[in-house]
Amino acid sequence: EPEVTQTPSHQVTQMGQEVILRCVPISNHLYFYWYRQILGQKVEFLVSFYNNEISEKSEIFDDQFSVERPDGSNFTLKIRSTKLEDSAMYFCASERSVAKNIQYFGAGTRLSVL
Amino acid sequence: AQTVTQSQPEMSVQEAETVTLSCTYDTSESDYYLFWYKQPPSRQMILVIRQEAYKQQNATENRFSVNFQKAAKSFSLKISDSQLGDAAMYFCAYRGGPTSGTYKYIFGTGTRLKVLA
Repeated sequence: EPEVTQTPSHQVTQMGQEVILRCVPISNHLYFYWYRQILGQKVEFLVSFYNNEISEKSEIFDDQFSVERPDGSNFTLKIRSTKLEDSAMYFCASERSVAKNIQYFGAGTRLSVL
Repeated sequence: AQTVTQSQPEMSVQEAETVTLSCTYDTSESDYYLFWYKQPPSRQMILVIRQEAYKQQNATENRFSVNFQKAAKSFSLKISDSQLGDAAMYFCAYRGGPTSGTYKYIFGTGTRLKVLA
């Protein structure tokens, strides 16, 4: 069964460094999402992406964050200058059609900012 | 703004017994979608069951069923014949309907389910 793949599974970085989290959505999916989950808290929406542009973003998704679909298969989340509070689990999700209303999630990338 | 509330941080159930996880939500929309996702220790988010608000019939998927009470804005998950593999964090999620202009999920805080052998 096709699945959403995220790499790396765990990323450790120093505060102020840039990180790129990578996702390979399911191949025929058209809508892409990033969510994050701070340890012990609920999953929060960051951004949605469709047709090579951001369709919606939350207030968390400030200028430090950006997303890109550079090559038609990968979907990346970049954090330009990481802060301690960016430490969280980041989940990528993809969806074939919004009419189906089912997002498929990857296993997540745990980001640890030291 | 829509909110999702899961009032049970943790629940326990004996293997083979039945357990119900609660979820309430707040919305002014009449058309929307509700989901239960399971997050085992591997942290992968797995869809358990989905309900469309315009459907009166409660969704079922094998041992999993929901009690959807639209007027009360309640969406509980019943797990029958609980198995050790059901132990996980369970998240309730809401998504607006086609006219809402948004496709994001709004999650509750989760309920950790322990299954006792």
